[in-house]
Amino acid sequence: DTEVTQTPKHLVMGMTNKKSLKCEQHMGHRAMYWYKQKAKKPPELMFVYSYEKLSINESVPSRFSPECPNSSLLNLHLHALQPEDSALYLCASSQDNTPGEKLFFGSGTQLSVL
Amino acid sequence: GQNIDQPTEMTATEGAIVQINCTYQTSGFNGLFWYQQHAGEAPTFLSYNVLDGLEEKGRFSSFLSRSKGYSYLLLKELQMKDSASYLCAVRGQTGANNLFFGTGTRLTVIP
Repeated sequence: DTEVTQTPKHLVMGMTNKKSLKCEQHMGHRAMYWYKQKAKKPPELMFVYSYEKLSINESVPSRFSPECPNSSLLNLHLHALQPEDSALYLCASSQDNTPGEKLFFGSGTQLSVL
Repeated sequence: GQNIDQPTEMTATEGAIVQINCTYQTSGFNGLFWYQQHAGEAPTFLSYNVLDGLEEKGRFSSFLSRSKGYSYLLLKELQMKDSASYLCAVRGQTGANNLFFGTGTRLTVIP
């Protein structure tokens, strides 16, 4: 199994809603990532978990809250989002923090905030 | 901070060769990756360079010069399915698990 699975694939939410994005991998990877990608732009790093601990938070607003319940799962909890938060949210994983380890990406959740 | 630059768009003919350049200025360097991303899909890994020189993998090759902060991706025998965005990404400090992407180059292959 070399897949990173993200659910849901599409999500529409209002600015007062609370929702969660889910990501799962069964490759035994110990590093997991959240990226945000706007249309026709490159992915922007949001959070990195290494061995289930948050190791990087790229100054992301508190309305985005990551959670890593175990080594296979990564969640992104959303609350009080703004329309400008509409984007493709990509989850990725890598074996560990060895520099040469490539990232495997999920197909993303396309989020629309109304 | 991180600064990774690529041309925004390129067009090339089927069967031809195209070179996509990437220049970078980053705090720390622990390797450079190239990813391919088709519209609406996840990025997929193409190549990795950490030492100076050329890495060849089938129709794709990637080159790195650390002293110049420069890399390129070379695509040979272009096929229509190679139309995609090509993302240059740099891993910064060791152990930090960070991978920062460049602006991406949208390649269009025409008949």
